[in-house]
Amino acid sequence: KAGVTQTPRYLIKTRGQQVTLSCSPISGHRSVSWYQQTPGQGLQFLFEYFSETQRNKGNFPGRFSGRQFSNSRSEMNVSTLELGDSALYLCASSLASAAYNEQFFGPGTRLTVL
Amino acid sequence: KQEVTQIPAALSVPEGENLVLNCSFTDSAIYNLQWFRQDPGKGLTSLLLIQSSQREQTSGRLNASLDKSSGRSTLYIAASQPGDSATYLCAVHTGNQFYFGTGTSLTVIP
Repeated sequence: KAGVTQTPRYLIKTRGQQVTLSCSPISGHRSVSWYQQTPGQGLQFLFEYFSETQRNKGNFPGRFSGRQFSNSRSEMNVSTLELGDSALYLCASSLASAAYNEQFFGPGTRLTVL
Repeated sequence: KQEVTQIPAALSVPEGENLVLNCSFTDSAIYNLQWFRQDPGKGLTSLLLIQSSQREQTSGRLNASLDKSSGRSTLYIAASQPGDSATYLCAVHTGNQFYFGTGTSLTVIP
């Protein structure tokens, strides 16, 4: 069974631009969560989607948004990029709610903002 | 707000030793706790998931315990190997989101 895939793996953008990251969950998984990992703040929760609905959201500004499609694939968008948005963005999938199910992570997208 | 702490931040042991990694959390109202390993520049690999009603889980050389009342979890690694070298992260789910610890960087010396 294929694991969680994320595209692209690497991105370089400049301040003020916007970016869209994609995540394909493990087949049959309906929940997708997104995380930001930085050396200073560690791993922080962005949001969770389940059956195309955002279930939970972390403490990030509105520039960070996401959506989930009917096939459970998810996208995350960051608008008006700032230098501090440089990070490894990870998505994770689980069968259903992450509160009750094991999460499996993708390899991440490394975003660099210049 | 839930806070998750992992001690020690770094650990170096000779191959073959048994070792214990610690994870503590401030709010005992959790749904589950999960241990992960992360290799440099890579995503997270799930090791063990403990539901809030469970006390421990085992997988191969790994054993994780959970004491909700004291806000603690331990990950026991038996007969460590150089391939176990990685950063180990624990995370607790509060029903709304996952909170991660800062990790323990483990080096197993051949």
